Amino acid sequence: QVYIVQSGAEVKKPGASVKVSCKASNYPFTAYGFTWVRQAPGQRLEWMGWINAYNGKTAYAQKFQDRVTMTTDPATRTAYMELRSLRSDDTAIYYCGRGYRAVAVDFWGQGTRVTVSS
Amino acid sequence: SYVLTQPPSVSVAPGQTARITCGGQNFGTKSVHWYQHKAGQAPVLVVFDDSDRPSGIPERFSGSHSGDTATLTIINIEAGDEADYYCQVWEGRTDYQVFGGGTKLTVL
Repeated sequence: QVYIVQSGAEVKKPGASVKVSCKASNYPFTAYGFTWVRQAPGQRLEWMGWINAYNGKTAYAQKFQDRVTMTTDPATRTAYMELRSLRSDDTAIYYCGRGYRAVAVDFWGQGTRVTVSS
Repeated sequence: SYVLTQPPSVSVAPGQTARITCGGQNFGTKSVHWYQHKAGQAPVLVVFDDSDRPSGIPERFSGSHSGDTATLTIINIEAGDEADYYCQVWEGRTDYQVFGGGTKLTVL
């Protein structure tokens, strides 16, 4: 069974950065990519971007282009999403999942709650 | 930017059939995926590539795609089906994944 386990909840101050991780297991890590989405309170799912775990190629939503970096570490089978210059409206649950581009996201992490508050 | 349009809400009585639509421009050439999302839980893929069902997803869930509209159909609705449902495609021109606005399914 494929497992994707995300890092724990974070509380950050405005202007800080957060780095969320997703550790994957039980499949060839570099054969897939990762998609990142988030859900703010009361809002819809919002696509942030994807990363190819084989070559590190990324595509970021224009909204996050200047503030987000997605990376992977095949040695530890972990994907990362770093969001910088946090604002209160970045408060959300962040999800990663296996799959990218035209490939459906078939397994998801449990979500990481990020709270941005002064 | 590419936009997928879903009805904001659908309400269905238990045992009945729910149909959730998703539409977009030049939609016919794109493969559509559908996700079920309950608040605070991980999304679940229920249909991929228009009409395929992942293992473990009940046969009550099915997908279709004709022209500019894709449809997720759930028969014999159960209380546990109450959730938000999102359609999603890949937009090749921008290399973006695009999600619909989501449809809240309420079981009456």
